Amino acid sequence: DIVMTQSPDSLAVSLGERATINCKSSQNIFYDTNNKTYLAWYQQKPGQPPKLLLYWASIRESGVPDRFSGSGSGTEFTLSISSLQAEDVAIYYCQQYHSGPATFGQGTRLEIK
Amino acid sequence: QVQPQESGPGLVKPSETLSLTCTVSGDSMRGHYWSWIRQTPGKGLEWIGYIYYSGTSRYNPSLASRVTMSVDRSTNQLSLSLKSVTTADTAVYYCARALAGLYNVFDMWGQGTRVTVSS
Repeated sequence: DIVMTQSPDSLAVSLGERATINCKSSQNIFYDTNNKTYLAWYQQKPGQPPKLLLYWASIRESGVPDRFSGSGSGTEFTLSISSLQAEDVAIYYCQQYHSGPATFGQGTRLEIK
Repeated sequence: QVQPQESGPGLVKPSETLSLTCTVSGDSMRGHYWSWIRQTPGKGLEWIGYIYYSGTSRYNPSLASRVTMSVDRSTNQLSLSLKSVTTADTAVYYCARALAGLYNVFDMWGQGTRVTVSS
């Protein structure tokens, strides 16, 4: 199985500042046949299921604010929140869907500093 | 879009079979892959398997020997059966819909149902 490792485990950022969460895959999750990276990002708030934010590493799901963006290639990826809002407090997960069973990172807890 | 709704017993005895149902709206079932995913504090999010509305399924190899999924299009229900459970199967179980055209990117989740395995 492809192992997804996120860093840091937790992060505190001031309101209005940029938050950056990293995700590393144990194998390349890019297919050069279709030029796509098989990575998604989710947000989970307490007592709620995960919510899809991004897929294909950088495509925002409908309704997701444009302060959320994704980047990276190969095995290293980043989720950025350009200007942190109070409602962004949550745990964030990356997930690969390239091969084998879909696997998730362990999560990064984002808090307000 | 109506959110899927999981249901089932909250307590299952070790060695018994865990059975859950997910009720979805008819429109959202058609043309999508549907997965069961579980979440534990220790192992985090774990994909259990998916089933297409036609009945085609695929399971996580780590659980495949114990898992069966089915779909009942007449009642718009998906079912998960996990046999020979142990305390390690204690988790919140979600059913989730995959984006159209993809197997494993989940754009709609149920609220989840907590299952405890204990005697």
